[in-house]
Amino acid sequence: GNSVTQMEGPVTLSEEAFLTINCTYTATGYPSLFWYVQYPGEGLQLLLKATKADDKGSNKGFEATYRKETTSFHLEKGSVQVSDSAVYFCARFQGAQKLVFGQGTRLTINP
Amino acid sequence: GAGVSQSPSNKVTEKGKDVELRCDPISGHTALYWYRQSLGQGLEFLIYFQGNSAPDKSGLPSDRFSAERTGGSVSTLTIQRTQQEDSAVYLCASSSQDSGANVLTFGAGSRLTVL
Repeated sequence: GNSVTQMEGPVTLSEEAFLTINCTYTATGYPSLFWYVQYPGEGLQLLLKATKADDKGSNKGFEATYRKETTSFHLEKGSVQVSDSAVYFCARFQGAQKLVFGQGTRLTINP
Repeated sequence: GAGVSQSPSNKVTEKGKDVELRCDPISGHTALYWYRQSLGQGLEFLIYFQGNSAPDKSGLPSDRFSAERTGGSVSTLTIQRTQQEDSAVYLCASSSQDSGANVLTFGAGSRLTVL
């Protein structure tokens, strides 16, 4: 099965709401963890990453903390904007080179 | 080039025909990946290359799928005798592996529609 499980969407919020998208992983060891984002009509791009336990990745107001105790890497943002509407993917490396993704969570922010 | 370039951006083909999808990675990137994105299926790993070798091709769905990479640069994904279930967006990515956490840069994708 997939080693990355993320919150099922779609998620719809109002502007300025608090966002959490859950992501958990299964792994032996401590793989690097990532959030990628796919904006409408654009290619997939890196949002943030964390390379070891307790690291916090951050970018564009988004944050995610690598929690080995709960094997989680939840994505959070304190105040979302309409421009944050996109599909978000959690990912981790499986082995040295194979990046595996969660199913993706579609986020829609209404003004 | 500045980014990962994929062609064609859109391809419509008839069932049973062969298709070739091309990926031109970022210059100097040694690792190259192919993924498939289908509606409701997320991102499915197909194959990755390190230089011209493919250490992991475990994700190729069937023997109708093959990929090659030449000169450590351009890669071609070939689908023979296409089926309707092959319809998807095929994404290519490359990586420089210059850090402990490889960051993949993705192309815009090739959308394949099999009629």
